[in-house]
Amino acid sequence: QQQVKQSPQSLIVQKGGISIINCAYENTAFDYFPWYQQFPGKGPALLIAIRPDVSEKKEGRFTISFNKSAKQFSLHIMDSQPGDSATYFCAASFDTGGFKTIFGAGTRLFVKA
Amino acid sequence: GAVVSQHPSRVICKSGTSVKIECRSLDFQATTMFWYRQFPKKSLMLMATSNEGSKATYEQGVEKDKFLINHASLTLSTLTVTSAHPEDSSFYICSARDGLGGGNIQYFGAGTRLSVL
Repeated sequence: QQQVKQSPQSLIVQKGGISIINCAYENTAFDYFPWYQQFPGKGPALLIAIRPDVSEKKEGRFTISFNKSAKQFSLHIMDSQPGDSATYFCAASFDTGGFKTIFGAGTRLFVKA
Repeated sequence: GAVVSQHPSRVICKSGTSVKIECRSLDFQATTMFWYRQFPKKSLMLMATSNEGSKATYEQGVEKDKFLINHASLTLSTLTVTSAHPEDSSFYICSARDGLGGGNIQYFGAGTRLSVL
């Protein structure tokens, strides 16, 4: 019940295209949904995050869409660039009886020039 | 965003020695710090959670006597891999939660690549 399922496992997108990564969760206690970007040999960096009372959040080329009833959320990268090539992790956290974050399995994105 | 400094970035050691990894929150007080282990092309595996001044809570399957965690202050946590063996070789990442200023936001260090010969 605490799993966060992420898909696809890998993604290849042409430069300028839209990259879409999807995540699904079961536990309705989750109240914070961040996305992290990780480059090889580096730690994850917070990219964008959303709370369940909002259906969409946009920061530059990055947008989170959140569907509370379906328990799904997704990351959209508009105008994808080769520099966006990285591994992306969705996550879900809650702070009931102790703070906890559950990470998705990750999506390796490659943007072709 | 907030900065978490992790040191060293890479360490190579002989089997049987102990290695200490430091994690510092530079511009915020980390009420909670986390230690993760990441295998190649895999997600982050939580090893333990520590709150300042109290004992760390270890995840199932993580040996607390092998992976010693100390969270002595609101800005510093250390992970000591004791009597390291080749199977301990991995990428270790710390994370700090800005519980006072940022709610549920977790910031990550740059990671430490441990290689045990």
